Amino acid sequence: EDKVVQSPLSLVVHEGDTVTLNCSYEVTNFRSLLWYKQEKKAPTFLFMLTSSGIEKKSGRLSSILDKKELFSILNITATQTGDSAIYLCAVADTGNQFYFGTGTSLTVIP
Amino acid sequence: DTEVTQTPKHLVMGMTNKKSLKCEQHMGHRAMYWYKQKAKKPPELMFVYSYEKLSINESVPSRFSPECPNSSLLNLHLHALQPEDSALYLCASSQVGGRWTQPQHFGDGTRLSIL
Repeated sequence: EDKVVQSPLSLVVHEGDTVTLNCSYEVTNFRSLLWYKQEKKAPTFLFMLTSSGIEKKSGRLSSILDKKELFSILNITATQTGDSAIYLCAVADTGNQFYFGTGTSLTVIP
Repeated sequence: DTEVTQTPKHLVMGMTNKKSLKCEQHMGHRAMYWYKQKAKKPPELMFVYSYEKLSINESVPSRFSPECPNSSLLNLHLHALQPEDSALYLCASSQVGGRWTQPQHFGDGTRLSIL
């Protein structure tokens, strides 16, 4: 059975801390891995990763994929209260189906 | 505001009512999705339409009936729902084709409450 597992389930940090969120997967016919940020409403797209070892970076956020070990990490440096959200990892297969992980709830305290 | 528009934003209905959720996008995306999301849980895929044809139905009860009248619109018709169907219903769209997956764009969702 295809599955995506995220850890930790929740995390509370202070502003300025660096956090690492994990996503491991077992998906047949893997095509790509995506990270989303969900605050109160719609998940918003952060990164899409298709190749191992190539870091994607956007401001304080970065992500990398390891297709051999079947995992990805999302790093957030110098966290701010606006980073508080649920971070969702999703894996897309070649049939264009998306499998979502359980999410990591991040709370950043001032 | 997102590029995928969902209406209504909130809906309260009784178990015997019939209502519809609507989703619209004008990005030229040819794949559209319905997800159900309960509190503190990830989105669960319900249906996928690709080029206006139903391509994935994740064993959803028949009280949920999707419809894709054209490439910009996606509806979800609701009838005889149960209290456990109360959730946030998210619509998403993405491009189809090409070598790589295209990321999904999500609407803000319809928060549905069944009395």
